[in-house]
Amino acid sequence: GDSVTQMEGPVTLSEEAFLTINCTYTATGYPSLFWYVQYPGEGLQLLLKATKADDKGSNKGFEATYRKETTSFHLEKGSVQVSDSAVYFCALKESQGAQKLVFGQGTRLTINP
Amino acid sequence: GAVVSQHPSRVICKSGTSVKIECRSLDFQATTMFWYRQFPKKSLMLMATSNEGSKATYEQGVEKDKFLINHASLTLSTLTVTSAHPEDSSFYICSALGGGSFSYEQYFGPGTRLTVT
Repeated sequence: GDSVTQMEGPVTLSEEAFLTINCTYTATGYPSLFWYVQYPGEGLQLLLKATKADDKGSNKGFEATYRKETTSFHLEKGSVQVSDSAVYFCALKESQGAQKLVFGQGTRLTINP
Repeated sequence: GAVVSQHPSRVICKSGTSVKIECRSLDFQATTMFWYRQFPKKSLMLMATSNEGSKATYEQGVEKDKFLINHASLTLSTLTVTSAHPEDSSFYICSALGGGSFSYEQYFGPGTRLTVT
């Protein structure tokens, strides 16, 4: 079945550092790809998404590009802030019309001032 | 907009008892809600899809008689863990599928931490 693999955490960085969280997927069709963020004590929030190959999702300084050839959707940010500390989940939906999400295991990110 | 609440946020119950968790969409109607279970340092595992006015669809390996789901209105779905045992201790998260202006995305509740003693 479809699956998502994220880099193991936790990840600890200093403020203004460059961030990459790796995400690769296995899917039989043409999935839509997502990054969700979970701040402490809150529910998951959609951070960004991409629905087809070579699409780039972006939001709040974060970016991820849908790479079909490498089956990847790595999350990047050029300069992280303390407020970016959270757990980040990569996820896929089998197709645009599908409802079910398949999640990676999550990566805990801590940014130190 | 698109806020989903869960109640309670934490619950401790004794082995053999049942516990009900509520999931509410506060500012939109959701014909479809999802229930997930999250183990420590693991991904969210979809347990079931809940459709308003009809029976829930359970994922393979999830016992429907143990995890009772009711979606009686467009803003409320409940998950009842029956005859709970310590192995049912986990973090349960719901989401609601927003339609129309909410772009058919899933909006997540903050989760409920269940501890069975």
